[in-house]
Amino acid sequence: KNEVEQSPQNLTAQEGEFITINCSYSVGISALHWLQQHPGGGIVSLFMLSSGKKKHGRLIATINIQEKHSSLHITASHPRDSAVYICAVTRGTYKYIFGTGTRLKVLA
Amino acid sequence: GAGVSQSPSNKVTEKGKDVELRCDPISGHTALYWYRQSLGQGLEFLIYFQGNSAPDKSGLPSDRFSAERTGGSVSTLTIQRTQQEDSAVYLCASSTEETQYFGPGTRLLVL
Repeated sequence: KNEVEQSPQNLTAQEGEFITINCSYSVGISALHWLQQHPGGGIVSLFMLSSGKKKHGRLIATINIQEKHSSLHITASHPRDSAVYICAVTRGTYKYIFGTGTRLKVLA
Repeated sequence: GAGVSQSPSNKVTEKGKDVELRCDPISGHTALYWYRQSLGQGLEFLIYFQGNSAPDKSGLPSDRFSAERTGGSVSTLTIQRTQQEDSAVYLCASSTEETQYFGPGTRLLVL
């Protein structure tokens, strides 16, 4: 069993829909990271969370430390949001432990 | 300021040849990481540098893989005697704290 699990693996949505991607982890962490990888391959860090909730534009990330669970929400989704979203955790050190990613496709 | 850069962006080589991949981290970032992403797969950690030393090489898949970092800046990942299974995108990232900044990657194809 992977230490970091994401669901769903694949997601197709219509433009404008509210999207939720989930991440569960089984180890103690110092922080959880959400990353976005576009089809060209570039990876961008979206959020780093150690507690609570963060918002950036149409993106919202939440984390529940007790339940070892995080969600990434996208409001008013747009085709340009189509990408692979990756959850990763760090455990007080440098090393990312990655989830397997969620491939999102938003249709116009 | 400039982000993490990698070169070459694409590399095609023949099985058995050696390749060198370069990473230029963000200026001032002391930590540097190499990852590999095979087609359709997730990200795989290879090696981590803090300054010029590599306290964690645990992800290097075989002794054909090596990496060095000089002057606390540029890093080179070398793959000797390449095999077809080495075909992948090799990503570099740098950081000062826990958030890593990724380069665009080098797409390696071994024929």
